[in-house]
Amino acid sequence: GIQVEQSPPDLILQEGANSTLRCNFSDSVNNLQWFHQNPWGQLINLFYIPSGTKQNGRLSATTVATERYSLLYISSSQTTDSGVYFCAGGETSGSRLTFGEGTQLTVNP
Amino acid sequence: DVKVTQSSRYLVKRTGEKVFLECVQDMDHENMFWYRQDPGLGLRLIYFSYDVKMKEKGDIPEGYSVSREKKERFSLILESASTNQTSMYLCASSPEGRTPYEQYFGPGTRLTVT
Repeated sequence: GIQVEQSPPDLILQEGANSTLRCNFSDSVNNLQWFHQNPWGQLINLFYIPSGTKQNGRLSATTVATERYSLLYISSSQTTDSGVYFCAGGETSGSRLTFGEGTQLTVNP
Repeated sequence: DVKVTQSSRYLVKRTGEKVFLECVQDMDHENMFWYRQDPGLGLRLIYFSYDVKMKEKGDIPEGYSVSREKKERFSLILESASTNQTSMYLCASSPEGRTPYEQYFGPGTRLTVT
């Protein structure tokens, strides 16, 4: 099955800083998502992005499918951005997702 | 908005008890999934279902079973709960055959087995 590697595992920022999270896949994926897990454990959908670039406010994501990686950009970080960010990929469109181990982001005031 | 609900946020059970975790989605999704999340191990797939009465084993099915009698409901069953099944359980659903094939998650159930 697919292997998913996220980096960095931990990231500490000052409020207002920018950051880039990376996700590498061992094989091609047709389904790729980014999630943010809030302090209560809920996984919040950030992006469904099997290819291309998307933006939503201060967050954006880019997936280069041919090179099997995806990037999540957080600009002007806020303390509420803290939490764990997961990427996950699936081999076929509606199939199961394999998750990376996550990036623990801490944004300090 | 897609809504996935789970029957309990927190649950405490005793070793050997039969435990039912219920998940309901309201978006007519064909696919439903059960994951567990443990520190240092990430999210791992237990079982999934792509249609009513259909089920497929995920990566860690041992000690679990599932039931899908209706399209909107997917139940996870711990036949005889053990302490190593203490975990966070997350249910998800996604559509089949229509884009985007995005998975949506419920709020999770934190199960403690004593």
